[in-house]
Amino acid sequence: DTGVSQDPRHKITKRGQNVTFRCDPISEHNRLYWYRQTLGQGPEFLTYFQNEAQLEKSRLLSDRFSAERPKGSFSTLEIQRTEQGDSAMYLCASSFRVEGATGNTIYFGEGSWLTVV
Amino acid sequence: KQEVTQIPAALSVPEGENLVLNCSFTDSAIYNLQWFRQDPGKGLTSLLLIQSSQREQTSGRLNASLDKSSGRSTLYIAASQPGDSATYLCAVMNSGYSTLTFGKGTMLLVSP
Repeated sequence: DTGVSQDPRHKITKRGQNVTFRCDPISEHNRLYWYRQTLGQGPEFLTYFQNEAQLEKSRLLSDRFSAERPKGSFSTLEIQRTEQGDSAMYLCASSFRVEGATGNTIYFGEGSWLTVV
Repeated sequence: KQEVTQIPAALSVPEGENLVLNCSFTDSAIYNLQWFRQDPGKGLTSLLLIQSSQREQTSGRLNASLDKSSGRSTLYIAASQPGDSATYLCAVMNSGYSTLTFGKGTMLLVSP
């Protein structure tokens, strides 16, 4: 399978615990994105990387959230001291961006469901 | 701030009908527009990508059009099938940015 893969697919955690999600993008894609989606809503942008550099972060990304993409390959999204409002699906996506182009297709993974109890 | 609106929010049709899903956006300065399909509890599957310089794209029974100046796009589905039942999401990528702004989606149900 050469698509975007995410792990774990489902996570139930108690309020206050830390959780980490992993994303493996499509091979050789230089851009990696994290989005969050709640029921009945479209995905909302959290952050994105160009290779290993984190180029943009949404205001939705509080200081409890941190994302990394060491070596420009896989990425992790960590949520510290989880709150019930963090319950959502966390989607990872990747694309290959050529500078000057108007954008290529962005491919999404299956998502990681987080439930905070 | 870019806002994307999708109408209708939900649509129920009998199998075989042709249907149109609508998407509108407030800021016409976009790089491209992408239509996605999402099955319940699943991730997003890309259907069509329309660059800002294009007017339409076709893939099988799907046809997407883009009128950038009026801030509108439509997704036309021909001869709908029960397997088309899903939520369809429209997303735009703004010029100067590298992220997508999504609508809330249209939930489609095609009954046999």
